[in-house]
Amino acid sequence: GQSLEQPSEVTAVEGAIVQINCTYQTSGFYGLSWYQQHDGGAPTFLSYNALDGLEETGRFSSFLSRSDSYGYLLLQELQMKDSASYFCAVRDKNNFNKFYFGSGTKLNVKP
Amino acid sequence: GAVVSQHPSWVICKSGTSVKIECRSLDFQATTMFWYRQFPKQSLMLMATSNEGSKATYEQGVEKDKFLINHASLTLSTLTVTSAHPEDSSFYICSARERLSTDTQYFGPGTRLTVL
Repeated sequence: GQSLEQPSEVTAVEGAIVQINCTYQTSGFYGLSWYQQHDGGAPTFLSYNALDGLEETGRFSSFLSRSDSYGYLLLQELQMKDSASYFCAVRDKNNFNKFYFGSGTKLNVKP
Repeated sequence: GAVVSQHPSWVICKSGTSVKIECRSLDFQATTMFWYRQFPKQSLMLMATSNEGSKATYEQGVEKDKFLINHASLTLSTLTVTSAHPEDSSFYICSARERLSTDTQYFGPGTRLTVL
């Protein structure tokens, strides 16, 4: 089966940097994705890591260490609009049609 | 980017009735669509995977006779909640993938179902 762990809530101030960690256990790992979801809205894709290392996309970066079954999402120059829930999701190698989501991290950005 | 729509965006129904939710990929063909449900302040729970022209694959614990999924074309999948009860009240979200190799799912805006 699959399980993913994320912190439930993180608070940071505008302009700061915040890191959201994700540890996973899966029967067949294929890749780690990150999604953002604002209250009442649909998830939107942020990034994907299949290989170890850092992927950078503007203010957001995502890191993966397959040997540690660990990844993180790094948000820089935080803005108020970044207040949302952030989910990591693993793609199952044994059936790579499927994505399984973590419990989500609620990010609160304060002025 | 790719756009996925859902209809209706919200629905209120009486207990015992059936509700159909549509998920459409507007500008691409979706070989695979996924249905999730999400309770307030919780994660997305995968309910089933549907591939065009074949039967849906349900996750463990999801009743296939209660949640009927049809993926009749490459741009449309439907979820029917049969004989809905208050505990079925939830946020139902679909997503679509264009090709087997892509790692991006495009999510619909979700459907808020309230069963009275």
